[in-house]
Amino acid sequence: EVDLVESGGGLVQPGGSLRLSCAASGFTFGSYWMTWVRQAPGRGLEWVANIKADGSEKYYVDSVKGRFTISRDNAKNSLYLQMNSLRVEDTAVYYCALITSYSFKKWGQGTLVSVSS
Amino acid sequence: DIQMTQSPSSLSASVGDRVTITCRASQSIDTYLNWYQQKPGKAPNLVIYAASTLQSGVPSRFSGGGSGTDFTLTISSLQPEDSSTYYCQQSYSSPWTFGQGTKVEVK
Repeated sequence: EVDLVESGGGLVQPGGSLRLSCAASGFTFGSYWMTWVRQAPGRGLEWVANIKADGSEKYYVDSVKGRFTISRDNAKNSLYLQMNSLRVEDTAVYYCALITSYSFKKWGQGTLVSVSS
Repeated sequence: DIQMTQSPSSLSASVGDRVTITCRASQSIDTYLNWYQQKPGKAPNLVIYAASTLQSGVPSRFSGGGSGTDFTLTISSLQPEDSSTYYCQQSYSSPWTFGQGTKVEVK
């Protein structure tokens, strides 16, 4: 069974950094594109970044370009999101998800990032 | 960026009713359109992908249609467990974008 478990969220001050992790199991992780999607409290869903199966291609929403970096370690079945220069507006639940057929097939339970002074 | 607009923003219907949610893209996206269901405090779940393909394990009362710019998600006979917020999402071009969501309440 496919399972995705996020970790690394927490409270951070504006301008600070956090690194989110997503542990994957139940599928051949190194064969699939992966993504990060976020949801601010009481708001809708926002796609953040995608990464190709081999890590050679990465795409970001404009609001995080230059601040966030998506990466993966296929040997460890893990996806990461390095978040620097965090802003109050980055406060959200961050979900990792498996991409198949250009859709987010399976989601993790999410990890909460709170940016506040 | 491609804008996705859902209507209505919310609806209330009775058990057994037929319910349709509409999603409109600001430009043609072929059939690169997905639908997700999200219950409060939970992660979203994929319901329909490629505009009309039912995700494995999703009840057959859910169906999707459309292509180009106009899409629909239909629940043929609403059930109490369908009370959720539904989001459409395009994967035609980056940035992949979501609609604002439609909250469905079951009376």
